[in-house]
Amino acid sequence: EAGVAQSPRYKIIEKRQSVAFWCNPISGHATLYWYQQILGQGPKLLIQFQNNGVVDDSQLPKDRFSAERLKGVDSTLKIQPAKLEDSAVYLCASAILDSSEQYFGPGTRLTVT
Amino acid sequence: SQQGEEDPQALSIQEGENATMNCSYKTSINNLQWYRQNSGRGLVHLILIRSNEREKHSGRLRVTLDTSKKSSSLLITASRAADTASYFCATAWNRNTGKLIFGQGTTLQVKP
Repeated sequence: EAGVAQSPRYKIIEKRQSVAFWCNPISGHATLYWYQQILGQGPKLLIQFQNNGVVDDSQLPKDRFSAERLKGVDSTLKIQPAKLEDSAVYLCASAILDSSEQYFGPGTRLTVT
Repeated sequence: SQQGEEDPQALSIQEGENATMNCSYKTSINNLQWYRQNSGRGLVHLILIRSNEREKHSGRLRVTLDTSKKSSSLLITASRAADTASYFCATAWNRNTGKLIFGQGTTLQVKP
């Protein structure tokens, strides 16, 4: 079975620019998560989707971050405008409905200069 | 804030030795999971232990859970160089939402 796909793998931007990340979950997984992982820390949940609806976005900085999951499959996470502190790895994970075991993609490493 | 606190932050052992990592958490949980992350890669699920379980095994992995102390431990026996990675515990409050809160992780180095 194909795993969670993410692109790009690496991105370098200047502060105040915008950036978008893409995630394709495992086929049939209804739940999709975006995490932010700062160097030396564990992943922090940004947003959780169930199909195309948002379940939890309480830790998403909504003034600059947005995410969507149109049609309940692929998802994009956008940052606009980026700040230096947004430098991190952005991980996408998916899970089957009602399961807390998550499958992670390889992540996108974002560097904001 | 993150739920889990892991101890130690870093661990260095020789191949063949056992590695033990500990995780403490603050609130009631439905289950606790351990994940491994190799450098520059995504996380890989290792094992899940439910709140009504005390011990679970998977290959060379042994996980214990003490809900009275709000703590868990991961034991890797007969470690290999390939076990070098960061290990994270993650707690789930509610099985249905699937939301996980991750700890800070333990970085394990296994020297050949």
